[in-house]
Amino acid sequence: DAGVIQSPRHEVTEMGQEVTLRCKPISGHNSLFWYRQTMMRGLELLIYFNNNVPIDDSGMPEDRFSAKMPNASFSTLKIQPSEPRDSAVYFCASRATGWNTEAFFGQGTRLTVV
Amino acid sequence: AQTVTQSQPEMSVQEAETVTLSCTYDTSESDYYLFWYKQPPSRQMILVIRQEAYKQQNATENRFSVNFQKAAKSFSLKISDSQLGDAAMYFCAYRRQGAQKLVFGQGTRLTINP
Repeated sequence: DAGVIQSPRHEVTEMGQEVTLRCKPISGHNSLFWYRQTMMRGLELLIYFNNNVPIDDSGMPEDRFSAKMPNASFSTLKIQPSEPRDSAVYFCASRATGWNTEAFFGQGTRLTVV
Repeated sequence: AQTVTQSQPEMSVQEAETVTLSCTYDTSESDYYLFWYKQPPSRQMILVIRQEAYKQQNATENRFSVNFQKAAKSFSLKISDSQLGDAAMYFCAYRRQGAQKLVFGQGTRLTINP
């Protein structure tokens, strides 16, 4: 398996523009997570899905952030409009069903908003 | 709320030596999991080792082992025979049993000196 695949690896955009980050989870994993990593706040969970349904989006910072999972093999995290303070590394992770399974992370997308 | 604290922002060790990274956590739960993740310069978050709270025996994975002190809420990582490839950020993380969310510490940057 190729693991969790995120695209793009790097994104530089201008303030006010829409940004879409993409994630393909590991096949067969039914939980998907979006994390954000910043120097100030470390790694924090933004939202997670179970069987394509958003379960907990309490970590989503503002209405400018939205996430979707239209099917079991694809998810997006969208920021519209983007702001410089959104600059961070965004990780996607997936996990299989079961109490004793663990999350596997993608390589992250480094977002820079100028 | 559960919190995870890594009190050592940076550590360094000579190649082939042993180093111990510290982690403490705060929880009122009795059933949970603890993890150490490695983040090399490639940014990938890699699971190094995990510990189930109900197990008294400390987990070991090759050169990596933990010292789990449940009463003290301490979970340190020992790396034996340090190698240059061990240089990375190391994150301690907590997950309550039955929950999906990982709570991360702030990380420790480990440098290996040749």
